[in-house]
Amino acid sequence: QVQLVQSGAEVKKPGASVKVSCKASGYIFTSYGINWVRQAPGQGLEWMGWISTYNDDTNYAQKLQGRVTMTTDTSTSTAYMELLSLRFDDTAVYFCARDGSYWDWGQGTLVTVSS
Amino acid sequence: QAVVTQEPSLTVSPGGTVTLTCVSSSGAVTSGHSPYWFQQKPGQAPTTLIYDTSYQHSWTPARFSGSLWGGKAALTLSGAQPEDEAEYYCCLSYSGARVFGGGTKLTVL
Repeated sequence: QVQLVQSGAEVKKPGASVKVSCKASGYIFTSYGINWVRQAPGQGLEWMGWISTYNDDTNYAQKLQGRVTMTTDTSTSTAYMELLSLRFDDTAVYFCARDGSYWDWGQGTLVTVSS
Repeated sequence: QAVVTQEPSLTVSPGGTVTLTCVSSSGAVTSGHSPYWFQQKPGQAPTTLIYDTSYQHSWTPARFSGSLWGGKAALTLSGAQPEDEAEYYCCLSYSGARVFGGGTKLTVL
């Protein structure tokens, strides 16, 4: 079955960067893109962007342009999301979700930005 | 960037029917927006209920259905069950960029 397993929780200081991984299994990795979505504590879902696992095309949310980078490693079927210049309001659970018709979701990774 | 609006909260009686809606600030919602509906329970990752307006995965309970109605995307729950109490999010596509609505907290009471 399709599984997306994300890396563990992170605590970062303001101004630092974080890189979250999302390891896929149960399907052909390059057949579906990956969306990244985050959720601040007690808040709704926010789409961060999408990456093609086939050719690494990306589409980032305007709000995060310049601070977010999405990449993939097809040899390990893993997608990555790196967020730079972290701010306190970047504290959130970060999810990856397999694109295609039906989205399959990772379990989420809590990133806490704290001084 | 467009803003997507949902009812903040709704209440439905067990066995009852409720419709959640999803409005786009840029105009009528169409199939071109590829509406998705997700369900999220506290402490869990979201799950996909409906994709591309009205399609369900094989394990989506049949009591959930999606449609376009009056220029909005709609999620209808017919025969609400206690386990349907959750947050529901719609998500629309704008030329490939996705925007989530703020979510609807559905109470079954």
